[in-house]
Amino acid sequence: GENVEQHPSTLSVQEGDSAVIKCTYSDSASNYFPWYKQELGKRPQLIIDIRSNVGEKKDQRIAVTLNKTAKHFSLHITETQPEDSAVYFCAATISGNTPLVFGKGTRLSVIA
Amino acid sequence: SQTIHQWPATLVQPVGSPLSLECTVEGTSNPNLYWYRQAAGRGLQLLFYSVGIGQISSEVPQNLSASRPQDRQFILSSKKLLLSDSGFYLCAWSVRGIHGYTFGSGTRLTVV
Repeated sequence: GENVEQHPSTLSVQEGDSAVIKCTYSDSASNYFPWYKQELGKRPQLIIDIRSNVGEKKDQRIAVTLNKTAKHFSLHITETQPEDSAVYFCAATISGNTPLVFGKGTRLSVIA
Repeated sequence: SQTIHQWPATLVQPVGSPLSLECTVEGTSNPNLYWYRQAAGRGLQLLFYSVGIGQISSEVPQNLSASRPQDRQFILSSKKLLLSDSGFYLCAWSVRGIHGYTFGSGTRLTVV
């Protein structure tokens, strides 16, 4: 089955700097890659996603890139703000009825 | 619009007691439903998922079970709780055949 590795497990950046979180997946048939943000004590919420027919997607300060050949995808946050502090999870799946496989999460701390 | 309800929000139960967590979805039909568990500071572990009434797939063998008595209702149960069952339990739903989860607000279970 699918396996998703996520790095780093913790990341600290200064406010205004960029943050990058990377994930690799094992199943070349995976075609959907979402990113979730989980604030302390809250539910994970979808912040951006990308499908295998697209190499990059951007939404304001957040962008995701996908390299199908290398089987890795990354989350980029620019101009980080203290409210970006949270745990971020990447995930991958093959089809709409197959459960998402999540990475172990990255705890991002933005230092003011 | 679609909404997901999960209750209770918090629960403290003694070892050996039974458990019943309920999740319902409104505003959609035939959703895919999921139960995840998150231990403190850890990732999201898939416990069960369902693509239809009475159809339950188990990902992790343990003393938990799940049932889907109605199309938009998903129940997580245990006959006898263990200390290791403590954690944050999250229900999620997705449109069948379409990716992307929406998570419920979660139940924080402490087994004492």
